[in-house]
Amino acid sequence: QKEVEQNSGPLSVPEGAIASLNCTYSDRGSQSFFWYRQYSGKSPELIMSIYSNGDKEDGRFTAQLNKASQYVSLLIRDSQPSDSATYLCRSSGGSNYKLTFGKGTLLTVNP
Amino acid sequence: DTEVTQTPKHLVMGMTNKKSLKCEQHMGHRAMYWYKQKAKKPPELMFVYSYEKLSINESVPSRFSPECPNSSLLNLHLHALQPEDSALYLCASSHLTKGEQFFGPGTRLTVL
Repeated sequence: QKEVEQNSGPLSVPEGAIASLNCTYSDRGSQSFFWYRQYSGKSPELIMSIYSNGDKEDGRFTAQLNKASQYVSLLIRDSQPSDSATYLCRSSGGSNYKLTFGKGTLLTVNP
Repeated sequence: DTEVTQTPKHLVMGMTNKKSLKCEQHMGHRAMYWYKQKAKKPPELMFVYSYEKLSINESVPSRFSPECPNSSLLNLHLHALQPEDSALYLCASSHLTKGEQFFGPGTRLTVL
């Protein structure tokens, strides 16, 4: 089993909708979770980090962490065409010290 | 300064060439990373430096040789590369090895 798995996508939503991106992880020792946005041909950009169970909100973005179920999600409210990108989930701090990215979910927001 | 810089932006090299990629950060981070990214794939970890010492080498071929001259600089020396090594090479840094990573813009490498 891969350490970090993302719903493979691609995901397509209309402008103004909520986009929901999910990630599960296998290492119960993982302590930190990060969401990156990557536009085509560009480098990953950190958009959210979450360390505790529950929700963390930043503008239109909400990260949710459930350590019991070993999943972390990212909600994008009022999606905009400029949100169209690949979203990468990463965990760290696990017992085997891996710094692992999920394979990413391509999000397209249609005007 | 919250930026990671990488030079060059683009590099084309032959299989017999020797070249180097450079990365610099001035955020006081003590962990620095090299990743390789192929099209439509996630970044793949190559090396981790912690406090200027190599702490992780993800079984990378010896034709890639990392170097960390000081806490702000990270180099990747390239020699006798293969066409399949063509990729986007990303440098990142973080305060601690388990923390938030900040990426540079990358070097697009093409091996002919």
